[in-house]
Amino acid sequence: KNEVEQSPQNLTAQEGEFITINCSYSVGISALHWLQQHPGGGIVSLFMLSSGKKKHGRLIATINIQEKHSSLHITASHPRDSAVYICAVPPETSGSRLTFGEGTQLTVNP
Amino acid sequence: DGGITQSPKYLFRKEGQNVTLSCEQNLNHDAMYWYRQDPGQGLRLIYYSQIVNDFQKGDIAEGYSVSREKKESFPLTVTSAQKNPTAFYLCASSLGRGASYEQYFGPGTRLTVT
Repeated sequence: KNEVEQSPQNLTAQEGEFITINCSYSVGISALHWLQQHPGGGIVSLFMLSSGKKKHGRLIATINIQEKHSSLHITASHPRDSAVYICAVPPETSGSRLTFGEGTQLTVNP
Repeated sequence: DGGITQSPKYLFRKEGQNVTLSCEQNLNHDAMYWYRQDPGQGLRLIYYSQIVNDFQKGDIAEGYSVSREKKESFPLTVTSAQKNPTAFYLCASSLGRGASYEQYFGPGTRLTVT
């Protein structure tokens, strides 16, 4: 079993829909990262959170440390949101190393 | 602008040749990382360095080597010993050594070995 599991693997939505991507992890962590990878390959850090909820524009990330689960929500989705969304965690015993999920490929159609 | 640069974006090599991928950052970050990405798989850590002149193996270090002679530079050499070198390589850096520091990624280098 992977230490970090994301669902779904692939997601197709219509413009304007509310989107949820889930991340479950099996290790103790101090924080969780959400990353976005564009078709060209570049990766951007969206959020780093250790509790509760964070919001940036149309993006919202939540985490439940007790349940070892995090969600990334996109409100009013747009075709430019099409990308791979990656969840990553630093296991407490790993120092500065991150363990990555396999990513969720999101496609938003106009 | 501050950031991480990787060059080149695309690299082609013949089997049996060593190749060095460049990674430079002007963010004054202490820690730097090299990751490999293969289709359908999550990023995997090759090597990381938390301070100049020091680096540690990641999960898939075999067939790779690195150096960290300067704070801003962390080149990765893919040697002929790496059995499946064709992949997308990403460099990242973070301000501090702890896992709770945000990592900043470069644009990546796509290496094809034939």
